[in-house]
Amino acid sequence: DIQMTQSPSTLSASVGDRVTITCRASQSISRWLAWYQHKPGKAPKLLIYRASSLESGVPSRFSGSGSGTEFTLTISSLQPDDFATYYCQQYNTYSSFGPGTKVDIK
Amino acid sequence: EVQLVETGGGLIQPGGSLRLSCAASGFTVSSNHMSWVRQAPGKGLEWVSIIYSDGSTYYADSVKGRFSISRDNSQNKLYLQMNSLRAEDTAVYYCARAGSNGWYVFDYWGQGTLVTVSS
Repeated sequence: DIQMTQSPSTLSASVGDRVTITCRASQSISRWLAWYQHKPGKAPKLLIYRASSLESGVPSRFSGSGSGTEFTLTISSLQPDDFATYYCQQYNTYSSFGPGTKVDIK
Repeated sequence: EVQLVETGGGLIQPGGSLRLSCAASGFTVSSNHMSWVRQAPGKGLEWVSIIYSDGSTYYADSVKGRFSISRDNSQNKLYLQMNSLRAEDTAVYYCARAGSNGWYVFDYWGQGTLVTVSS
């Protein structure tokens, strides 16, 4: 099984900050990685697929990069609506998610 | 408009069975790869099962042999039959559609249904 890790587990930031979340896979997954945003009581929302492709309708302040085993999600200027938990997901072999990174208000 | 609505959650005793349903609208379930994903209290997301458009199915090791995914093409619904339930199966269960960008890239999700396994 492919294990996914994320860092940090919690990130405190202010509106306007540049935020970066790192995701690592236990083996190479090429670019088969997606990022989701999840708020309590809501359905998760797809942000990025294939490591760096922005899902339709997602603001351009979200971007993804990486390949192989190391990936990043960057929010260029944090907005009030962005406070949430972010999950990476590999889909090279079936699917598995990272443990999540909670972005909260500093 | 694409919508997914899960039902069937509730409180069930360990060892019991439950069937979750996911009613889809705005697209055809049988033409897409559909998955169940769960989130235990205070934990992250965990992929549970997939049914591909060709009808083949796969399961996470944690539920293999106990859970069964299926669909009803006439009703445009997805199901998850859960048997031999354990306390660790307690979670919010989401159905999710894989869009055109990958078999496991979930572009639409339901709001989830809570399953609580407890005596």
